[in-house]
Amino acid sequence: EDQVTQSPEALRLQEGESSSLNCSYTVSGLRGLFWYRQDPGKGPEFLFTLYSAGEEKEKERLKATLTKKESFLHITAPKPEDSATYLCACSGYSTLTFGKGTMLLVSP
Amino acid sequence: GAGVSQSPSNKVTEKGKDVELRCDPISGHTALYWYRQSLGQGLEFLIYFQGNSAPDKSGLPSDRFSAERTGGSVSTLTIQRTQQEDSAVYLCASSFNQGSYNSPLHFGNGTRLTVT
Repeated sequence: EDQVTQSPEALRLQEGESSSLNCSYTVSGLRGLFWYRQDPGKGPEFLFTLYSAGEEKEKERLKATLTKKESFLHITAPKPEDSATYLCACSGYSTLTFGKGTMLLVSP
Repeated sequence: GAGVSQSPSNKVTEKGKDVELRCDPISGHTALYWYRQSLGQGLEFLIYFQGNSAPDKSGLPSDRFSAERTGGSVSTLTIQRTQQEDSAVYLCASSFNQGSYNSPLHFGNGTRLTVT
């Protein structure tokens, strides 16, 4: 059974304090790994797709990386507006499995 | 351009009543998904439509839940005889999916269902 585990469940950072969120996966035939951001009362918003180990994608203060077992979402010098829940999802041969997310709070 | 549109945004209903939730996907997207998100829980897959293929209904939690997609576009999720445990946010997503799962999903803002 495909599994996607995100850690930590919650993370509190000071503004400017860089950190990383983890997404570990066990998926048969990984076709793609997706990162989403979800703000309260909103649907998840697509951030990145990673397809193969070694691939990296960047957007503003966010950088996503992928290995054969996990993905990291690195947040550099975060701002309060980066506060949200970050979701990871993995697509396999015939499934799309979401993790439960990491709730990030960035304090000014 | 227009994103995925869901209506209503909020729905309060009495236990035992039927409800219909609507999803208007992004134009040109062939795949449509319904998920359920409860407080503090992850996204729970409900049903998946891909083009003219038979839908994947493997995530529907009971026979009170059904969904249809008309003309390959708009979808309706129906919950019959609602129960309090059906209270959740129901999210719809669409993707430009050619039979695989390697295209990102684009989500609507959901319908928050409260069963009293």
